[in-house]
Parts: sequence; structure tokens; C-alpha cells
Amino acid sequence: GAGVSQSPRYKVAKRGQDVALRCDPISGHVSLFWYQQALGQGPEFLTYFQNEAQLDKSGLPSDRFFAERPEGSVSTLKIQRTQQEDSAVYLCASSFSSVQGPSTDTQYFGPGTRLTVL
Amino acid sequence: AQSVAQPEDQVNVAEGNPLTVKCTYSVSGNPYLFWYVQYPNRGLQFLLKYITGDNLVKGSYGFEAEFNKSQTSFHLKKPSALVSDSALYFCAVRDSSGGSYIPTFGRGTSLIVHP
Repeated sequence: GAGVSQSPRYKVAKRGQDVALRCDPISGHVSLFWYQQALGQGPEFLTYFQNEAQLDKSGLPSDRFFAERPEGSVSTLKIQRTQQEDSAVYLCASSFSSVQGPSTDTQYFGPGTRLTVL
Repeated sequence: AQSVAQPEDQVNVAEGNPLTVKCTYSVSGNPYLFWYVQYPNRGLQFLLKYITGDNLVKGSYGFEAEFNKSQTSFHLKKPSALVSDSALYFCAVRDSSGGSYIPTFGRGTSLIVHP
């Protein structure tokens, strides 16, 4: 079946531009996570949705970052007034959410969006 | 607080030889441990996880990992490496206490398998 998809795969933005990154999770997956992966590092948590509810946004680095999942499926990560330090790969992951809860769930990752801010 | 360490930035091994990629962790409660692999320009692919039960976990592509509570380790192993195993490997941990659902990932270990 289809996995997690993300678009665009690559995005080049001029400093100060707004960008929107899209994530299509696996159908039926309740949980959705956004991560930021800097070069040579592991993914860093940004935000978590359970269906349409954003339960945790503690990892968002500034108020320029905003995420939504209005209908509990597709999610968009928006970055306003991009800065050079925003350059990274943005990963989306989804999981089914078993009765044990999201702590034990396997996350399925999309291919990521590589954002370069000039 | 939870943390994970991958002490080796790079592991080199000859094809056909056994491989080990190391991971140690720190949690307050019990750990939920995961291994993922990342190929160039791809997202992370799940390999295996330890939640509870048998300390030896078998996963995809012939990989396995052993949970060692006394050494707080969860090393990834494969008996016979393939050139196609060359990739970036990430260990991740979640702490069972407090119902944490946010995983902490290690910095990754680059595995290079030489023909």
C-alpha cells in the first residue's frame, strides 16, 4: 500500500519567504509527527497530532513555525519569514496508534522535504 | 529525561563479516527502543523495536538487536553484512514513564560495508 508521502521533495526559498510543506500520512493512521533533521544529526521532534488535535508543539523552534491537520489526515507545516537556520530536512511520520498508545507504536516516515534558505 | 547515544559516527565492515552498531540509552522508567535505517535522500525505515519480553529482537533484512538492561544498551547486529546494508542507522528511545510519545533519536551511525 501507499506509504507516507511529502511534497515538495525539495524547496529553495529566499530569506524572508513563507513556505508550506505537505504531508500525506498512511490512510487510517491516527498519529502524525513532524521532525526537523539537520545535516549529520538525528531527527528532532517538532510537533504531534492525534487526528486533528495538535497535542504537542513544544518542539517548534519559534512562532514562525505553524502546523495544522484540519481534517485529521493531510498535514501542513508552514514556516513564515524563513531564515537560513531553517535549512534542514523536514520529516513527517505517521502511526496507527495501538491500544498500548503512541509510545510503543512504530512510526512510518515519509521521504522528507529538503528546505534550503538562501 | 530520556537520551540516547550512538558512540560511533562510522562503522566499517567487510562484506560477509558480522556487524554491530552500538546504542546506549538513559530513561527514568522502562525504555521502548527502536532502530531505523536511512538511505540517501530517503526517509527513515523501521527495522525493529523492543517493547517488552524477549531481550533478543529480530527485525527486517536479517537484523537483530539485543536489549541489555544492566548495560542500558540496545546494539544492532547482523551475522553477515551485505554491501547493500551500507546506510545511516538511527537508534531511538521513548521512556515508558509518563506515557511519553516523543522519541529521542541518536545522531546516527554511518555503516559502510566494503566488497
